Amino acid sequence: DADVTQTPRNRITKTGKRIMLECSQTKGHDRMYWYRQDPGLGLRLIYYSFDVKDINKGEISDGYSVSRQAQAKFSLSLESAIPNQTALYFCATSDFGTSGYNEQFFGPGTRLTVL
Amino acid sequence: RKEVEQDPGPFNVPEGATVAFNCTYSNSASQSFFWYRQDCRKEPKLLMSVYSSGNEDGRFTAQLNRASQYISLLIRDSKLSDSATYLCVVILGAPASGGSYIPTFGRGTSLIVHP
Repeated sequence: DADVTQTPRNRITKTGKRIMLECSQTKGHDRMYWYRQDPGLGLRLIYYSFDVKDINKGEISDGYSVSRQAQAKFSLSLESAIPNQTALYFCATSDFGTSGYNEQFFGPGTRLTVL
Repeated sequence: RKEVEQDPGPFNVPEGATVAFNCTYSNSASQSFFWYRQDCRKEPKLLMSVYSSGNEDGRFTAQLNRASQYISLLIRDSKLSDSATYLCVVILGAPASGGSYIPTFGRGTSLIVHP
């Protein structure tokens, strides 16, 4: 089984709908991240969490919210989806490491289309 | 100026060729550097860390030039399977020094290796 899973893998929705993307991990990592990827723009950080009680905004948090339900689960919500939120969304996990950063492990991604 | 910049390419090379990518970063306080590989519509995966003294892993060599603020990735004897997008990642470091341990990704460089 994959260490980092995301559901759903694909989703088509309409403008104004509320959408939740879920991420689960079995790696035992404290740190979890949500990114979106758009063609030509690379990976951009939406939110990150260093432990269950820690939530931080990333580069592009407007229009998104998150919930860290447990060490292993980190959900991303779009309260009212709009077409420019159409993108590929990745969840990632990592531990702290001796230098403060360790390898990030990514989920397979969720392809979201907002019509 | 973006914090981390990469030539998007694509770099189109024949099998067996040697190809090099550069990645420039704007913050001189950046402390850690990495290369990730991303196959089409797949999740990014760590390729290698970049150490101050330079490091090699098989056909791949990574180097850091702090004076000019760039890192490089050299691929020797290119294989068809090397075709992918290569993402450069830069970490600012400890919060006490003004950093956050949050990785900043470049937009990626596309490599196409043809027969």
